[in-house]
Amino acid sequence: DIVMTQSPDSLAVSLGERATINCKSSQSVLYSSNNKNFLAWYQQKPGQPPKLLIFWASTRESGVPDRFSGSGSGTNFTLTISSLQAEDVAIYYCQQCYSSPYTFGQGTNLEIK
Amino acid sequence: EVQLVESGGGLVQPGGSLRLSCAASGFTFTSHWMHWVRQAPGKGLVWVSRINTDGSATIYADSVKGRFTISRDNAKNTLYLQMNSPRDEDTAVYYCARDRGYNVLDYWGQGVLVTVSS
Repeated sequence: DIVMTQSPDSLAVSLGERATINCKSSQSVLYSSNNKNFLAWYQQKPGQPPKLLIFWASTRESGVPDRFSGSGSGTNFTLTISSLQAEDVAIYYCQQCYSSPYTFGQGTNLEIK
Repeated sequence: EVQLVESGGGLVQPGGSLRLSCAASGFTFTSHWMHWVRQAPGKGLVWVSRINTDGSATIYADSVKGRFTISRDNAKNTLYLQMNSPRDEDTAVYYCARDRGYNVLDYWGQGVLVTVSS
């Protein structure tokens, strides 16, 4: 199984500042036939289901604010929120979509400083 | 509007059985693979199972293989998860989710709580 490890586990950022969450996979999730990284990011607010933010490592889902961006390739990935808003308080998960079981990272709890 | 509504959760005894349902609307159900993902209280997300569009291909996490069965009724636009011989560690909120392609989960239901306890 591919193990997904996020860092940090918890993060406190001031409003308007940049937030950066890292995700590392135990093996590459780059699919050579289409040169896509099979890595997605989700946001989960308390009492709500997860919401898709980013797929293929860097493609923003429709309707997601452009302050959210994803980067990385192979085994190392980053979710960046360029200017933190109050409504961004949530737990963020990465997931590899490359091979079954489609494992998630342990989550990063993002709070306001 | 895409909607996924889970039902069938509740309290079940270890070794019993329970069937979860997920009613889909607002999209062409037959065009999408579907998944179940669970979340134990206060814990992270764990992928459980996936089914293809016509139900002919299914895969499972090792933790549920041989005990849980995913299925779908395309005439009723409904996804199912049959849970047999549940264990205490199966206690979780179970989400159904739509696959937009390549195992990316773009819509999720609100989830249904399953509690396994004697």
